[in-house]
Amino acid sequence: DTGVSQDPRHKITKRGQNVTFRCDPISEHNRLYWYRQTLGQGPEFLTYFQNEAQLEKSRLLSDRFSAERPKGSFSTLEIQRTEQGDSAMYLCASSRTGYGYTFGSGTRLTVV
Amino acid sequence: KNEVEQSPQNLTAQEGEFITINCSYSVGISALHWLQQHPGGGIVSLFMLSSGKKKHGRLIATINIQEKHSSLHITASHPRDSAVYICAALGGSQGNLIFGKGTKLSVKP
Repeated sequence: DTGVSQDPRHKITKRGQNVTFRCDPISEHNRLYWYRQTLGQGPEFLTYFQNEAQLEKSRLLSDRFSAERPKGSFSTLEIQRTEQGDSAMYLCASSRTGYGYTFGSGTRLTVV
Repeated sequence: KNEVEQSPQNLTAQEGEFITINCSYSVGISALHWLQQHPGGGIVSLFMLSSGKKKHGRLIATINIQEKHSSLHITASHPRDSAVYICAALGGSQGNLIFGKGTKLSVKP
């Protein structure tokens, strides 16, 4: 297992387009997290899954954002009708209950 | 006021210097993480601690639960230590991390 993988690494999209990011966690990790990080700031929590159940969503996650983890393995984060303010690094992390987190390298989104 | 505060925000050091980064938190936590982020975004977990002190190579992390304070120390700093160091508190029933804004460290040769 090579850790948490995120795809793509970079995405440039036009305003108004939809984008989807994927995260493959460490296989034995039951928890998966999505964070967003803007320049000069620490990451901010977006949403969290335990197995396939989405247990918590941040107020940052507007109606244009949706996340899934259909089989409790990989997860996708979709942003519909992207806006320039969505430009950020989207980070995925996974963990096993009671243990530390492993982060992916992130997907950098630029909305032009 | 942020729930997790780090200081300093920026730190420049000469190679070989002893470095300390501080983190204070106002929430109840079950553990505290120190993370390292290099340009390009990838985050590496350095330590997860809930009491006392941990050491890994030239890095030492301490936590004082009563004072709600943690420190990350780097001994014999090196230019390759240049990165953003982030403190993150693990609290709440759902186990979400609350991040500080990070400390940008630059070690000059």
